[in-house]
Amino acid sequence: DGGITQSPKYLFRKEGQNVTLSCEQNLNHDAMYWYRQDPGQGLRLIYYSQIVNDFQKGDIAEGYSVSREKKESFPLTVTSAQKNPTAFYLCASSPKQGQGYGYTFGSGTRLTVV
Amino acid sequence: AQSVTQLGSHVSVSEGALVLLRCNYSSSVPPYLFWYVQYPNQGLQLLLKYTSAATLVKGINGFEAEFKKSETSFHLTKPSAHMSDAAEYFCAEEGQNFVFGPGTRLSVLP
Repeated sequence: DGGITQSPKYLFRKEGQNVTLSCEQNLNHDAMYWYRQDPGQGLRLIYYSQIVNDFQKGDIAEGYSVSREKKESFPLTVTSAQKNPTAFYLCASSPKQGQGYGYTFGSGTRLTVV
Repeated sequence: AQSVTQLGSHVSVSEGALVLLRCNYSSSVPPYLFWYVQYPNQGLQLLLKYTSAATLVKGINGFEAEFKKSETSFHLTKPSAHMSDAAEYFCAEEGQNFVFGPGTRLSVLP
C-alpha cells in the first residue's frame, strides 16, 4: 500500500546535537511538507518542497534544514540552533499544491531533548 | 490572508449524542475544504473534503459536513457519537496556501 513513512517514531536528542528525521513516500507525490505540533498550538509549517531539488521556508524554519534530492524523500534536520526542539513532527505529501487533493500524513516523530 | 477558525478548542458530548464541530473559512472564492482527525501520537487522517461537487459531503466513520457559502462555514457533524470518536479534529482550507485551523478536541462521555 502507498503511504508516508516517518522514522523513528521516538527520538531523543542531547542538547547541542543535530538530529535528522526521515520522511519517505511511495505515492509519487510532487509536494512534501514538514509540520511541527506543540500542545495547544496546532500545526506550524517548517519547510515545504513542491519539486525535487527545490524547497521553501515555512513559518518557523529557523533552526531547521531540509533537502529534497529524491522525489520520495524529504528529510528534516533539527540543528543545535533550534532552541526548543521538543515537539511532535509531522511529514505530509500532496500530488500538487492548490488543486484540492489534500494532504496525506505520516504517523509522526516525537522528538525529546534530554 | 487565508485563515480558518474553529469555535471551541474542546467539545464534550455524551455517547450517542449529536456531534457538531464548527469551522469557518476566510477565502472570498470557494476554496477546497477538508476535515482531518488525529488520534493521540498519530498523524492526521482525512475524514472528508469539499471540492465544489456537492455542498453536503459524506466522509468516513459516519461524519459529514455541509458547505455554506453565505456563512463561510464548513461544520462537521455526526448524528450519534461513539467513544472511538474521541480525538482532535482539524479543519483546513486549500487556496493559494494550505491553512489549518487550530483544532478542536472532542471528548465523548459514557
